[in-house]
Amino acid sequence: AQSVTQPDIHITVSEGASLELRCNYSYGATPYLFWYVQSPGQGLQLLLKYFSGDTLVQGIKGFEAEFKRSQSSFNLRKPSVHWSDAAEYFCAVGPLSGNTPLVFGKGTRLSVIA
Amino acid sequence: KAGVTQTPRYLIKTRGQQVTLSCSPISGHRSVSWYQQTPGQGLQFLFEYFSETQRNKGNFPGRFSGRQFSNSRSEMNVSTLELGDSALYLCASSLIDWTGASYEQYFGPGTRLTVT
Repeated sequence: AQSVTQPDIHITVSEGASLELRCNYSYGATPYLFWYVQSPGQGLQLLLKYFSGDTLVQGIKGFEAEFKRSQSSFNLRKPSVHWSDAAEYFCAVGPLSGNTPLVFGKGTRLSVIA
Repeated sequence: KAGVTQTPRYLIKTRGQQVTLSCSPISGHRSVSWYQQTPGQGLQFLFEYFSETQRNKGNFPGRFSGRQFSNSRSEMNVSTLELGDSALYLCASSLIDWTGASYEQYFGPGTRLTVT
């Protein structure tokens, strides 16, 4: 069965520091991969997606993610974190075809300190 | 384009009552999915509707139901509310390609349901 693991429940970084959020997936076929961000009390906002092609994808708000098939990973990175990046981040995986629903990880909560 | 809208945004109900939540997808999106989000269980998939038909269902009791209308708007209903149903209910819409696969999902702001 497909699954998504986000190993870090909570991460704290200093403003201006770099960030990497980990995501590992288990999927029987080539997947679609997504990162979403959720601010408190809000819905999820799509940060970026990977369907095919270049394994390094750029998203909104200065985020990027790299798909590594050999490691079944899709880690999210940002070179310099801003206080407004404090939120919960979700990794998700879905099928390239067929109608199975997206599978979400349990999320990583990011805190940013001055 | 307008985003996904959900109404109401906040709701307080009493145990045993029923509730109906509404979701209007992005124009042109024909798939609507519903999720329940709680601090303990995280984001859990409820069901997905496409062309007025439920085509995926999560592991929730029959008290949770939904439907989709011809304009792709969707409603979900929870009957006989329990305290544990208190959650943020999120709706997401997506395009569907010719294979039936969904593209990325776009989420609404959610409906915060509190059951007392």
